[in-house]
Amino acid sequence: DIQMTQSPSSVSASVGDSVTITCRASQAISSWLAWYQQKPGKAPKLLIYSASSLQTGVPSRFSGSGSGTDFTLTISSLQPEDFATYYCQQADSFPLTFGGGTKVEIK
Amino acid sequence: QVQLVESGGGVVQPGMSLRLSCAASGFTFSSCGMHWVRQAPGKGPEWVAAIWYDGSNINYADSVKGRFSISRDNSKKTLYLQMNSLRAEDTALYYCARQVQKPYSGYAYDYWGQGTLVTVSS
Repeated sequence: DIQMTQSPSSVSASVGDSVTITCRASQAISSWLAWYQQKPGKAPKLLIYSASSLQTGVPSRFSGSGSGTDFTLTISSLQPEDFATYYCQQADSFPLTFGGGTKVEIK
Repeated sequence: QVQLVESGGGVVQPGMSLRLSCAASGFTFSSCGMHWVRQAPGKGPEWVAAIWYDGSNINYADSVKGRFSISRDNSKKTLYLQMNSLRAEDTALYYCARQVQKPYSGYAYDYWGQGTLVTVSS
């Protein structure tokens, strides 16, 4: 199975800050990587697919990069509604696996 | 608009069975790969099972293989998850999710239901 390791597990930031979350796959997955945002009591919401493609309707302050085993999600100019937990997911092969999550908290 | 509505969750004893349903609307269900993803309380999502748009290919997580069965009825626009021999560790919120319908998107999910809670406890 492909293990997905996210870091950090939590980050404190202020409105307007830039935040970067990293995700590392235990083996190469090309660009088959998705990022999701989850708020309490809600289903995950797709932000990025194919490592860097912005899902329709997602603000452009979210961006993704990387290929192979190392990936990043960057949120530029953090907004109040961005405080949530973020998960990466390898979308390459079964069994599909998720990272452990990164909680973005208000400083 | 795309909607996925799960049902069938509940509280059951270990060893018992449940059947979850996911009613789809607002898109061409018969063209989409569909998945079940679960999330235990306070934990991250865990992929459970996937089924091709026509049911021709199915995959399961090792943790549920041999106990769970995914199926679909395209005429009813409904996805199912038959869960047998339930264990305490199957306790989770179960989501159905639609696979992204864009080229080169892999197995990512663009729409999720609200989830149905399954609690396995004696």
